[in-house]
Amino acid sequence: DAGVIQSPRHEVTEMGQEVTLRCKPISGHDYLFWYRQTMMRGLELLIYFNNNVPIDDSGMPEDRFSAKMPNASFSTLKIQPSEPRDSAVYFCASSLATSQTWMEQFFGPGTRLTVL
Amino acid sequence: KQEVTQIPAALSVPEGENLVLNCSFTDSAIYNLQWFRQDPGKGLTSLLLIQSSQREQTSGRLNASLDKSSGRSTLYIAASQPGDSATYLCAATETSGSRLTFGEGTQLTVNP
Repeated sequence: DAGVIQSPRHEVTEMGQEVTLRCKPISGHDYLFWYRQTMMRGLELLIYFNNNVPIDDSGMPEDRFSAKMPNASFSTLKIQPSEPRDSAVYFCASSLATSQTWMEQFFGPGTRLTVL
Repeated sequence: KQEVTQIPAALSVPEGENLVLNCSFTDSAIYNLQWFRQDPGKGLTSLLLIQSSQREQTSGRLNASLDKSSGRSTLYIAASQPGDSATYLCAATETSGSRLTFGEGTQLTVNP
């Protein structure tokens, strides 16, 4: 398996523009997570899905952020409108809930977002 | 709310030394605890996962221990190598098995 795939790897945009980050989880995994990493706040969970259904979005900073998972192999995180304080590295992770895997999470390479 | 703390924040050691990284968590009701490695500009690589019912896990030169009652985990690296230089993060998984709370990480430098 190729692991968790994220695109784009780098995104530079201007304040006010819409940004869409994409994630393809590991095939067969039933959980998908979106994280944000900044120097100030470290790694924070934004939202996670189970079987394509959003379970907990309490980490989403505000209404400008939205996430969807239309099918088991694709998820998007959208920021509209973007602001400079959204600049961070956004990670997607996936896991499989079985007694053998114990919910081990596997991370993608991340998308480095810069909002000017 | 779970809080995870890692000490030290940074560590520099000569090659060949054995070392211990520390992780503490405030809520002992965890599902598991994971240790990750992050190289600069890269994603996270899972190193070891300790189930809540286990005391330790080993992989090669790495050994992770878990003491739920005291809210502590340690990552032991034997015979450190320059290639071990990276940031090491621990993360506690809540009892539902899904939400991870990360520590701030320990930045390790192994000098040749």
